[in-house]
Amino acid sequence: AQSVTQPDIHITVSEGASLELRCNYSYGATPYLFWYVQSPGQGLQLLLKYFSGDTLVQGIKGFEAEFKRSQSSFNLRKPSVHWSDAAEYFCAVGKNTGGFKTIFGAGTRLFVKA
Amino acid sequence: EAGVVQSPRYKIIEKKQPVAFWCNPISGHNTLYWYRQNLGQGPELLIRYENEEAVDDSQLPKDRFSAERLKGVDSTLKIQPAELGDSAVYLCASSLWDSGNEQYFGPGTRLTVT
Repeated sequence: AQSVTQPDIHITVSEGASLELRCNYSYGATPYLFWYVQSPGQGLQLLLKYFSGDTLVQGIKGFEAEFKRSQSSFNLRKPSVHWSDAAEYFCAVGKNTGGFKTIFGAGTRLFVKA
Repeated sequence: EAGVVQSPRYKIIEKKQPVAFWCNPISGHNTLYWYRQNLGQGPELLIRYENEEAVDDSQLPKDRFSAERLKGVDSTLKIQPAELGDSAVYLCASSLWDSGNEQYFGPGTRLTVT
């Protein structure tokens, strides 16, 4: 069965520092991969997605993610974090077999300190 | 473009009472999802609609949960009777087509069962 693991429950970074959020997935074929962000009291917003092609994916708000098949990883990165990036981040994997289904990780909460 | 609309935003009920949540997806989106998000967890799919047809309801607790999407637009999710363990955020999402396209989420309904 497919699954998504986000090893870090929460991460704290200083404003202006770089960020990397980890995501590992388990799936037999090439998955569809997503990163979503959820601000308090809000729904989820898609940051970026990977379906195929270039393994380095650019998203909104200055985020990028790299798909590494050998490591079954899809880590999210940002070179310089802003205070407004404080939120919950969810990695998700999708499969399209008899209908599309998305499985979400448990999330990583990002705290940004001044 | 209006986003996914959900109401109410918050609901507090006593156990054994019924409750209903309403969702209006983005205009033209034929796929609609209901998710449940427990505290500290990622969203978990309850039911997915393609137009008015429920194509995946395998995770919906059918003894107490029901959903409908009349005319393939708005949708209602109902719980009757509610249990303490149903306390969660119920998210609605929609997508333009169901083959890996990104999902747009509403702000959710936070349900508290006392």
